[in-house]
Amino acid sequence: DTGVSQDPRHKITKRGQNVTFRCDPISEHNRLYWYRQTLGQGPEFLTYFQNEAQLEKSRLLSDRFSAERPKGSFSTLEIQRTEQGDSAMYLCASRGGRESTDTQYFGPGTRLTVL
Amino acid sequence: AQSVTQLGSHVSVSEGALVLLRCNYSSSVPPYLFWYVQYPNQGLQLLLKYTSAATLVKGINGFEAEFKKSETSFHLTKPSAHMSDAAEYFCAVSARWGGTASKLTFGTGTRLQVTL
Repeated sequence: DTGVSQDPRHKITKRGQNVTFRCDPISEHNRLYWYRQTLGQGPEFLTYFQNEAQLEKSRLLSDRFSAERPKGSFSTLEIQRTEQGDSAMYLCASRGGRESTDTQYFGPGTRLTVL
Repeated sequence: AQSVTQLGSHVSVSEGALVLLRCNYSSSVPPYLFWYVQYPNQGLQLLLKYTSAATLVKGINGFEAEFKKSETSFHLTKPSAHMSDAAEYFCAVSARWGGTASKLTFGTGTRLQVTL
C-alpha cells in the first residue's frame, strides 16, 4: 500500500492555458474524490467517482473543469482556459469499497499557480 | 445539508500545555466526524474519526475527541502539546448512510502554534 499519489506536485501556468493533474489512488480503492483548497480555507468537494462512474459533481466544478477515471483506477482533472481564481491546492482522496471503510486517504496535492 | 464550524482560526499554546481545538457540526442525518491534520505543503492526515461507536475517540499522536450530540460538538484535545503538533487542523463531517458519496465537508481550519 503506497498511499495516494498525485502528479505534478506543483504547476505554474499562464492564464488561458490548459492544465491536467493526475491522481493514483490506493490500489483496490474504488471510490475517488477531488477537492480544492484555497489559501486559508478548508478543502471543498469538487467531484466523486465510484469505479469509473462520475456520480457527483459540485457546482464549484464549472464547465472549464472535467474529470475522468477511465478504467476505474487513476483519475485526471483538467482545467481549460485557466483563470487566476483557479490558483489553489487540488487534493485527491480515495476510499475503500466497503461502507464500513469510511476513511478517505488524501494525497499530497497539486499546487496550481495561475499567473 | 451539513456544515462544520471551527471556533478560533489560530490557537497558541505553550509546550506541555493542554490543547483544545473546537468543532461544532450541523447535520440533517447522523454524521461521521473526522479530524485531519495538515503540515505545510502536504496533504491531509487522519487523526481520528467518530463513526457511531464509542463517543470518546482516541487517535494518533495522543489526540482524542469526544462526540457530544446534545452540544453538536466534536472538540479535539491533547493533554500535553509538543512542538511537532504545530500544524493546521481541520474538522470534517460526512453523511453516515450508504447510497451517498460520503463527501467530506470541512471547517475552515485552526492553525495551532506551540511555543517554548
